Amino acid sequence: EIEMTQSPAALSVSPGERATLSCRASQGINRDLAWYQQKPGQSPRLLIYSASTRPTGIPARFSGSGSGTEFTFTISSLQSEDFAVYYCQQYIDWPWTFGQGTKVEIK
Amino acid sequence: QVQLQESGPGLVKPSETLSLTCIVSGGSMSGGSISTYHWNWIRQPAGKGLEWIGRMHTSGSTNYNPSLKGRLTMSIDTSKNRFSLKLSSVTAADTAVYYCTGGGYLSDYWGQGTLVTVSS
Repeated sequence: EIEMTQSPAALSVSPGERATLSCRASQGINRDLAWYQQKPGQSPRLLIYSASTRPTGIPARFSGSGSGTEFTFTISSLQSEDFAVYYCQQYIDWPWTFGQGTKVEIK
Repeated sequence: QVQLQESGPGLVKPSETLSLTCIVSGGSMSGGSISTYHWNWIRQPAGKGLEWIGRMHTSGSTNYNPSLKGRLTMSIDTSKNRFSLKLSSVTAADTAVYYCTGGGYLSDYWGQGTLVTVSS
């Protein structure tokens, strides 16, 4: 099973600032990586797939990069609605696995 | 817009079988754009992260998480636009919010989630 490790566990950011989250895979996963956002009491929402592709309707302030084992997710200018938990997930090998999440909090 | 809704008992006794159904609306599983979708179950224990339970294609092919091997059965009824989960011999460790999801490959659409508690 591929283990996904996210860092940091929590990140305090002021509105308007940039947030950068990391995700590391225990083995190479090419670019088969997705990022999800989960707000309290809500279901997760797909933000990024193929490491850097945004689905239709996802704002451009969300971006992703990386390949192999190291990945980065960036929110260029945090809005109030962006404070949430973010999960990375690999889908190259079954079982698909998630990282433990990074909580983005208001500073 | 595709919508998913989980249904099933919120309380299951230890050693019994957890059964959930996901009703899909906004398209036909037997024809049209969502007929080629993949359908999934994902769970989340309270305050914890996400675990992919299993995945099924409309054709009937499945992938089950090996950690649940032998206890898990997924099925799909395209004529009724629904798919189901059965998890046998449950323990307290199976207590979680269970989400049904669907999409072209990943989870584009999610249900609201349903809390299942395993307790006597």
